[in-house]
Amino acid sequence: NAGVTQTPKFQVLKTGQSMTLQCAQDMNHEYMSWYRQDPGMGLRLIHYSVGAGITDQGEVPNGYNVSRSTTEDFPLRLLSAAPSQTSVYFCASSVAGENIQYFGAGTRLSVL
Amino acid sequence: GEDVEQSLFLSVREGDSSVINCTYTDSSSTYLYWYKQEPGAGLQLLTYIFSNMDMKQDQRLTVLLNKKDKHLSLRIADTQTGDSAIYFCAESSNSGYALNFGKGTSLLVTP
Repeated sequence: NAGVTQTPKFQVLKTGQSMTLQCAQDMNHEYMSWYRQDPGMGLRLIHYSVGAGITDQGEVPNGYNVSRSTTEDFPLRLLSAAPSQTSVYFCASSVAGENIQYFGAGTRLSVL
Repeated sequence: GEDVEQSLFLSVREGDSSVINCTYTDSSSTYLYWYKQEPGAGLQLLTYIFSNMDMKQDQRLTVLLNKKDKHLSLRIADTQTGDSAIYFCAESSNSGYALNFGKGTSLLVTP
């Protein structure tokens, strides 16, 4: 049972490039979320999903897109990377109503 | 969003108790959590408490909740060097699809 798997673990992009951060969970969790972690800022919610086909914005959604075509996968797309998007990105999942989020190991992204 | 506040840094000697404090503003918080993050790693759920509880104990960890003052604390007994990490307080008031995190407290345990 792998839990929440994020790929890649590390990525370096140039300004203006696009990429997709992958997140997959094998626990059949309804809820999935993306956070970014910046020094001294804690974790901030980017986007979340409460089920396949349903997504919504969090606190800092600008510059990111998400979709949820299956229960298992919740990719995060950077359309045109900017240095301000240099951060550590965490994906999390939870069972609807159980209030316990399980986190992936994170993707460390640098935008030059 | 609602605020979750923590002190940024705590230093203790090995073998002493550590107490990490957190305050929150959302009166509708239903669950409160403590997560641990070691350098370069993800977030590990240490413990959580439901808002109708005052205390929860789990081995070396004791969580105290003062709902009236919106104050949460994490006590680590017999602190070890392996406990050195960042500890995040978080709250949930939305049925669990997202958590609201504090900025984290860096705990340094010295021999």
